Amino acid sequence: DTGVSQNPRHKITKRGQNVTFRCDPISEHNRLYWYRQTLGQGPEFLTYFQNEAQLEKSRLLSDRFSAERPKGSFSTLEIQRTEQGDSAMYLCASSRTSDGTDTQYFGPGTRLTVL
Amino acid sequence: AQKITQTQPGMFVQEKEAVTLDCTYDTSDPSYGLFWYKQPSSGEMIFLIYQGSYDQQNATEGRYSLNFQKARKSANLVISASQLGDSAMYFCAIYGVYNQGGKLIFGQGTELSVKP
Repeated sequence: DTGVSQNPRHKITKRGQNVTFRCDPISEHNRLYWYRQTLGQGPEFLTYFQNEAQLEKSRLLSDRFSAERPKGSFSTLEIQRTEQGDSAMYLCASSRTSDGTDTQYFGPGTRLTVL
Repeated sequence: AQKITQTQPGMFVQEKEAVTLDCTYDTSDPSYGLFWYKQPSSGEMIFLIYQGSYDQQNATEGRYSLNFQKARKSANLVISASQLGDSAMYFCAIYGVYNQGGKLIFGQGTELSVKP
């Protein structure tokens, strides 16, 4: 199996612009997660999908953030009207609930810098 | 609420020696899983080892073992025969089966440096 992939790996944008990130999970993984990680901290949960359904959203996910997983495969995370506080590493992970442990495997992340 | 505490911001170990990274947790969920991940400077989170709350034996994966003490709510990671490539951030995380949905709750991490 190929691992989780994320694109782009790096994104530099100006405050107020919209950005979109893509995550391709491991094939046949039915769950997909988004986390955000700032410098010196552990990842913080943003949202997750089981197949196409978005099952949970963190309070961290303001109305400027939206995530989709339209066909239960890849997912996109969009941030509208970016702010400097959005600068972080955005990590995607996937898991298969049938494996018993629901272990999450992470992608390489997208590092966002908002100027 | 679920919480992970990693009290060692940084650790040093000599190459080829063993090192223990501490992790304590708090959860109200009767069924949970504990995970350790490695994050090199490249940024990718690499899964190392899993321990289920009902597992009777401590988990082992190659040079990694998890010292699980349920009554003390600790899940320490032991790395044997350290290698230079083990230098990285290490995160402990918990997953609650019933009360936490699908998400992992992570600790603050421990930065491990392996000296030659």
